[in-house]
Amino acid sequence: NAGVTQTPKFQVLKTGQSMTLQCAQDMNHNSMYWYRQDPGMGLRLIYYSASEGTTDKGEVPNGYNVSRLNKREFSLRLESAAPSQTSVYFCATGQPFSGNTIYFGEGSWLTVV
Amino acid sequence: GENVEQHPSTLSVQEGDSAVIKCTYSDSASNYFPWYKQELGKRPQLIIDIRSNVGEKKDQRIAVTLNKTAKHFSLHITETQPEDSAVYFCAASKQSGYSTLTFGKGTMLLVSP
Repeated sequence: NAGVTQTPKFQVLKTGQSMTLQCAQDMNHNSMYWYRQDPGMGLRLIYYSASEGTTDKGEVPNGYNVSRLNKREFSLRLESAAPSQTSVYFCATGQPFSGNTIYFGEGSWLTVV
Repeated sequence: GENVEQHPSTLSVQEGDSAVIKCTYSDSASNYFPWYKQELGKRPQLIIDIRSNVGEKKDQRIAVTLNKTAKHFSLHITETQPEDSAVYFCAASKQSGYSTLTFGKGTMLLVSP
């Protein structure tokens, strides 16, 4: 039981390159989330998927796209990376709307140069 | 949308002292309030949570209090130890629809031996 698995763990991109962060969960939750974490800014929601087949924007969606591939997998894509997207990205799953916590993956450290 | 303010941003205490971190929220419909601890380079992990039908919850050296009228909640850590040093995040969510978690910006707690 791995919980939430993210890949890659570290990535360096050049400005304008594209990449996809992968996330998979084996906790059988319907909802999945992508957050970014920047110093002094806390955890900010990029996109979420309440259930398979649906996705919605969070607080900071610009520059990102997502795909909910199936119940287990939720990917985050940067189409044209910018230095402002240098951050730590966390995938999470859970159902806070049911009074239950969310569980985070180990994080993906992304640097855009 | 929900807005969560967290104070202080940094907190330094001596081992054995108590530490208190406070959060306020804006949406009176929020009724689920988890606290996460994040050690350096690690993922945020739940340490305690509280729902709006209770005013206080304890788990060994940590406790959380909730004042729904004033829309604030606090984390209390007693008999602090060096291993309590970490960043702590509060969060809030409504238990309806597909509400997501909104996080505070975090408090860096440093416990000196």
